[in-house]
Amino acid sequence: KNQVEQSPQSLIILEGKNCTLQCNYTVSPFSNLRWYKQDTGRGPVSLTIMTFSENTKSNGRYTATLDADTKQSSLHITASQLSDSASYICVVSWGGSQGNLIFGKGTKLSVKP
Amino acid sequence: DTAVSQTPKYLVTQMGNDKSIKCEQNLGHDTMYWYKQDSKKFLKIMFSYNNKELIINETVPNRFSPKSPDKAHLNLHINSLELGDSAVYFCASSFTGDWGYTFGSGTRLTVV
Repeated sequence: KNQVEQSPQSLIILEGKNCTLQCNYTVSPFSNLRWYKQDTGRGPVSLTIMTFSENTKSNGRYTATLDADTKQSSLHITASQLSDSASYICVVSWGGSQGNLIFGKGTKLSVKP
Repeated sequence: DTAVSQTPKYLVTQMGNDKSIKCEQNLGHDTMYWYKQDSKKFLKIMFSYNNKELIINETVPNRFSPKSPDKAHLNLHINSLELGDSAVYFCASSFTGDWGYTFGSGTRLTVV
């Protein structure tokens, strides 16, 4: 069964600290993995997209890693800011058709001053 | 300029009513999608249109009917609304074969 599991469900950190969010998936055939940031009341915004052959991809203070062997991905946020408070959703694309996306339930991150 | 815009942003209606949600994108994308986000924040695809043609139709009650008058628009019409239809509905768009989706801000539907 295709599944995407994220941990932790929620996380509270102090401004300026780093944090790492986890995503484990059992999706086959794997196509790509994306991390989205969703602010409250807004649509998801893409942070990174990684294919099978990519291990690391950065977007500013966000760095995503992918281990296709263990089917794990992580999103590392460096020097967190108050504006990083949001839900972070891991999404895995499978098969060849667009729209075949399996969404994780997200990690709710709260950055406190 | 908003890339993917949905209207209305909020919709409160009674059970049994028929309502429509509109979506428009100005990115020149040729593929558009409707997703439903339930109370547990889980996003599930409902429909996908490519160049005005339906290419994905997940197991969704036939009370939901998408309509794409042109590549830039994908509207969602819902008949005989039920309490369980309460959710946030997201429209998204992309180019064919492109993995980067752009999402709208969502429409929060509440059925009372």
